[in-house]
Amino acid sequence: GENVEQHPSTLSVQEGDSAVIKCTYSDSASNYFPWYKQELGKGPQLIIDIRSNVGEKKDQRIAVTLNKTAKHFSLHITETQPEDSAVYFCAAREDSNYQLIWGAGTKLIIKP
Amino acid sequence: NAGVTQTPKFQVLKTGQSMTLQCAQDMNHNSMYWYRQDPGMGLRLIYYSASEGTTDKGEVPNGYNVSRLNKREFSLRLESAAPSQTSVYFCASSARHGLAGGVEQFFGPGTRLTVL
Repeated sequence: GENVEQHPSTLSVQEGDSAVIKCTYSDSASNYFPWYKQELGKGPQLIIDIRSNVGEKKDQRIAVTLNKTAKHFSLHITETQPEDSAVYFCAAREDSNYQLIWGAGTKLIIKP
Repeated sequence: NAGVTQTPKFQVLKTGQSMTLQCAQDMNHNSMYWYRQDPGMGLRLIYYSASEGTTDKGEVPNGYNVSRLNKREFSLRLESAAPSQTSVYFCASSARHGLAGGVEQFFGPGTRLTVL
């Protein structure tokens, strides 16, 4: 089955700088890769996703890149702001049963 | 429009006790999910219901049962709680499981369960 690894587990950046979180997956048949943001005391919320036929997708300050050959995908946040502080999860969707397999999460801390 | 709601928010059980976690969604979604979240392990799928009338096991189904009561409601039951089931439980829903290209899951606020 699919396995997703996420790094780093904690990332601290200065406000205004960029943040990059990386995930690798094991199943080459996986074809959908969402990123979720979880604020303290709340459930995760989708912020961006990418499908296997696309290499990059942007939405304002957030972008996701996918390298199918290397089986990894990354979340890029530019011009970080205090409200970006949260836990971010990547996931990959198994092709056999459409279940999402989740990374362990990255706690992003934005320093003022 | 409340989205996905879960009850209770917090619960403490003794080993061997049973309880049911309730989940409801008002988005007319076909598919619903139960996850558990443990520190350092991300989210793990317990059970899901692709559509009303069907349920399937996820990654970690042992010790749990589910009921898809109707299109809106999906409950999770712990028959005999164990300390290993201490976790935060999230319910989620999506328009349709298995939709080509993937589909967003909407999460409830979670239930924090402690088993002593």
